[in-house]
Amino acid sequence: GQNIDQPTEMTATEGAIVQINCTYQTSGFNGLFWYQQHAGEAPTFLSYNVLDGLEEKGRFSSFLSRSKGYSYLLLKELQMKDSASYLCAVRDSNYQLIWGAGTKLIIKP
Amino acid sequence: SQTIHQWPATLVQPVGSPLSLECTVEGTSNPNLYWYRQAAGRGLQLLFYSVGIGQISSEVPQNLSASRPQDRQFILSSKKLLLSDSGFYLCAWSPPDFDTGELFFGEGSRLTVL
Repeated sequence: GQNIDQPTEMTATEGAIVQINCTYQTSGFNGLFWYQQHAGEAPTFLSYNVLDGLEEKGRFSSFLSRSKGYSYLLLKELQMKDSASYLCAVRDSNYQLIWGAGTKLIIKP
Repeated sequence: SQTIHQWPATLVQPVGSPLSLECTVEGTSNPNLYWYRQAAGRGLQLLFYSVGIGQISSEVPQNLSASRPQDRQFILSSKKLLLSDSGFYLCAWSPPDFDTGELFFGEGSRLTVL
């Protein structure tokens, strides 16, 4: 079966760095996505990785290793507004997105 | 620019009552359209997707149905709601060419079935 695993919840301090991991087992691979979702709101796109390596976008970076079925989202200089759930999703061989349950990130002052 | 809007935002319905959630997209043509449900502590579950008018693919057998009467309109319906239908429903669209596969979500509709 297809499976996306990510931690349920993480806590970090304002101004610090946090890494949210995601491992996947899917039928084929056509890209990995990270979305941010604030409580009660719709998810918004953060990043897309299809090749191995690191993609940097401002304070957020996303890393992919296809051979290991592994990705992480790195958030630097954490701000209180970064408190949200972070969803990992993989696009499979049928170009359908398989979603993880999300990681709730709590930022403390 | 493209926009997506879904309504209603919040809905409280008794068991056995009908349901209709609507979603419209503006600023793009022939989008792929999706209905997802999100239950607490679980990943987004794809319910239906559509690549064109009248073309609906169902991912999960259940008492829900979807229709696409116009290119940029997607409707989620039920004739008789169950308690298990409660959840956060999200409409989304993507460009037709699957380029990056990025999804653009509507604001969401929170359904409570009592």
